[in-house]
Amino acid sequence: DAGITQSPRHKVTETGTPVTLRCHQTENHRYMYWYRQDPGHGLRLIHYSYGVKDTDKGEVSDGYSVSRSKTEDFLLTLESATSSQTSVYFCAISEIAGGNTGELFFGEGSRLTVL
Amino acid sequence: KNQVEQSPQSLIILEGKNCTLQCNYTVSPFSNLRWYKQDTGRGPVSLTIMTFSENTKSNGRYTATLDADTKQSSLHITASQLSDSASYICVAPPGGGADGLTFGKGTHLIIQP
Repeated sequence: DAGITQSPRHKVTETGTPVTLRCHQTENHRYMYWYRQDPGHGLRLIHYSYGVKDTDKGEVSDGYSVSRSKTEDFLLTLESATSSQTSVYFCAISEIAGGNTGELFFGEGSRLTVL
Repeated sequence: KNQVEQSPQSLIILEGKNCTLQCNYTVSPFSNLRWYKQDTGRGPVSLTIMTFSENTKSNGRYTATLDADTKQSSLHITASQLSDSASYICVAPPGGGADGLTFGKGTHLIIQP
């Protein structure tokens, strides 16, 4: 299994509170991604990173920010959580750009509930 | 707009039987097509990646086919096992982009003893 650790794995929070999810990899892969998975939708890209301090927005980036200060860590922050952000969040990594044939490796997911 | 449509949404079969899952894509330009397996409560795991020039690829009891002309792919599972119960997700990235993956909604497969 690829060395990807997400934390926390489960979190319940209240509307309006800040939340940070962490993704840690031990594979030294250049690309890291944050996806959300909701019933009735395929996985949707929130933000991705193509190197330390290099990030870009995905399809559903509103309300989220990210940071990558080290190769191994990619943080996803919800500045003020809303109920619509209740979801399962997956981190993924790839050695080369995910749009090419580079294989994506996923973490185990972080289930976030916003009350 | 790039789209990936999977069918059926859900499927129940008996252990030992075969099944085929379908994926239609409207992604351009085409780079490759992937199938992932996602067990309940886990992250997706790659089964196969096929490029434009490949029309069949196997991974154990899983065989994926690709028809680039009709923009269809299928995943055939042979001699199903209880451990095959999972969601199977089709993914078609446009060529060249780091962010361009388009995920299907998946087919939820249940294997009954």
